[in-house]
Amino acid sequence: QKEVEQDPGPLSVPEGAIVSLNCTYSNSAFQYFMWYRQYSRKGPELLMYTYSSGNKEDGRFTAQVDKSSKYISLFIRDSQPSDSATYLCAMARNRDDKIIFGKGTRLHILP
Amino acid sequence: DADVTQTPRNRITKTGKRIMLECSQTKGHDRMYWYRQDPGLGLRLIYYSFDVKDINKGEISDGYSVSRQAQAKFSLSLESAIPNQTALYFCATSEPNRGQDTQYFGPGTRLTVL
Repeated sequence: QKEVEQDPGPLSVPEGAIVSLNCTYSNSAFQYFMWYRQYSRKGPELLMYTYSSGNKEDGRFTAQVDKSSKYISLFIRDSQPSDSATYLCAMARNRDDKIIFGKGTRLHILP
Repeated sequence: DADVTQTPRNRITKTGKRIMLECSQTKGHDRMYWYRQDPGLGLRLIYYSFDVKDINKGEISDGYSVSRQAQAKFSLSLESAIPNQTALYFCATSEPNRGQDTQYFGPGTRLTVL
């Protein structure tokens, strides 16, 4: 079983819809959970950062962590064509540990 | 100007050639990383450095070497390039702050080994 599993997609949704992106993981020692967004021909950029369990909201984006189920989610409300990108989940055991990335989910928001 | 720059942005080379990819940053971060990204395999860590005297192997270091010339510079070398090293290479920097260690990525170098 891979440490981090993420459906590669592509996922296509109409503009304005709520998008749900998910990752599962196997290492219960992970405490730091991140979502990175990567536009075509660009490097990834941090979108959301969460420590331990719970929810975190930033504008149209909400990150959820369920450590009991080893499952993390990113929700995008009122999705826009500019949200079309690859979204990578990432996690680490502590601040000094290497980050393990998921393979990324390609998201297309259809105008 | 970009905080993390990579040169070259694109490179085509032949099997057996020595290649160096360079990364420079103006963020003042101590930590620097090299990743490769392949379709279907995601981002994988090659090497990382927490300061100029610290070099650590990542999960796929075989066939690669690195040099941390200064706090701001971290180079990745392929001593004898092979076709399966064809990939998109990213440099990243980070600095732990308030419990968070955000990684800042460069624009990437697309390397093709023929």
